[in-house]
Amino acid sequence: SQELEQSPQSLIVQEGKNLTINCTSSKTLYGLYWYKQKYGEGLIFLMMLQKGGEEKSHEKITAKLDEKKQQSSLHITASQPSHAGIYLCGADRNQGGKLIFGQGTELSVKP
Amino acid sequence: EADIYQTPRYLVIGTGKKITLECSQTMGHDKMYWYQQDPGMELHLIHYSYGVNSTEKGDLSSESTVSRIRTEHFPLTLESARPSHTSQYLCASSGSDTIYFGEGSWLTVV
Repeated sequence: SQELEQSPQSLIVQEGKNLTINCTSSKTLYGLYWYKQKYGEGLIFLMMLQKGGEEKSHEKITAKLDEKKQQSSLHITASQPSHAGIYLCGADRNQGGKLIFGQGTELSVKP
Repeated sequence: EADIYQTPRYLVIGTGKKITLECSQTMGHDKMYWYQQDPGMELHLIHYSYGVNSTEKGDLSSESTVSRIRTEHFPLTLESARPSHTSQYLCASSGSDTIYFGEGSWLTVV
């Protein structure tokens, strides 16, 4: 079984709609990272969460980490075609910066 | 914006050739990493380094080797490439609370 599960695996939304991507760990995490990846390219850093209950926002993207530090969500408000891509959550288990990744969520935004 | 660079971006080589993928960062980070990502699959850590002359193997077994002679430079080498090595290789470096990735190197072994 996956140590880090993302859901959904793919998502198609109409432009302007809100959406949420979830990331669940079987173990308590030291840190949780969110990245965006265009197919075949590198990862663009979005946000890092470390404290239980923490919430961060940047532009129209908000990420939250639950109190137990085992579940995170990424919420996009009023989605745009520029939000399309693959969203990855990465978990740091022991403060070493060595990340394990979820399978990714492929987001398509229809204009 | 992250100052971490990978070369080459794309490489097609024949079986048995030796190749080195370069990774450099200008942020002065001590911690650096190599990840491997097959198309449509998850990223897996194959090597990491916490500083000069420090290298360790990651979670996924790899026939590649790495070296860390300078803080800013973390090259990955395959002594004899095989088709099973075809993949995308991503380099990363870690600051205080952010891990930055390079744009990746796509390796195809024919």
